[in-house]
Amino acid sequence: TQLLEQSPQFLSIQEGENLTVYCNSSSVFSSLQWYRQEPGEGPVLLVTVVTGGEVKKLKRLTFQFGDARKDSSLHITAAQPGDTGLYLCAGGGATNKLIFGTGTLLAVQP
Amino acid sequence: SAVISQKPSRDICQRGTSLTIQCQVDSQVTMMFWYRQQPGQSLTLIATANQGSEATYESGFVIDKFPISRPNLTFSTLTVSNMSPEDSSIYLCSVTGRKETQYFGPGTRLLVL
Repeated sequence: TQLLEQSPQFLSIQEGENLTVYCNSSSVFSSLQWYRQEPGEGPVLLVTVVTGGEVKKLKRLTFQFGDARKDSSLHITAAQPGDTGLYLCAGGGATNKLIFGTGTLLAVQP
Repeated sequence: SAVISQKPSRDICQRGTSLTIQCQVDSQVTMMFWYRQQPGQSLTLIATANQGSEATYESGFVIDKFPISRPNLTFSTLTVSNMSPEDSSIYLCSVTGRKETQYFGPGTRLLVL
């Protein structure tokens, strides 16, 4: 069974701080995606990484795919209250089904 | 990207009753997915719904409890049958996008009393 473990599970920080969320698995994925979900809404895609070692930046967010395509990280610089939400990584493969990570609930206090 | 709507957005139901959730997409898509999510937690895939064929259910989910219809390429329904308080959850539909990604509806928040 493919599993994606995220850490930390919960994170409460002050505005302006930096943070990193980790997504780890023993399985290899053809793609690794990150979603953010705000209360009352469905998950929204932030980024997709497909190449081992790939790094993508989205404003203050930096995403990295591990060299072996088994893990990923999300780094947020100078967090803002608008970054508050549930962050989910998801591994993709040939079946078009996604394996979702366990989730990281982030609260950024003003 | 696809725009997805769900009805109802939320409901409170009595145990033993059934609720049908609708998912409408603004474009034709081959694969649609139904998920269940406890607030603040990750998503659990219930089934994959393909037009013109029976839905494929994940382990722990059965058709008698969660019948799914997929009458065309833009619409699907999920019924939660004979509900119990344990069925209280958020139910989400999604469709496939580019590069294995998925686009999600806003979810249906169900509370069973």
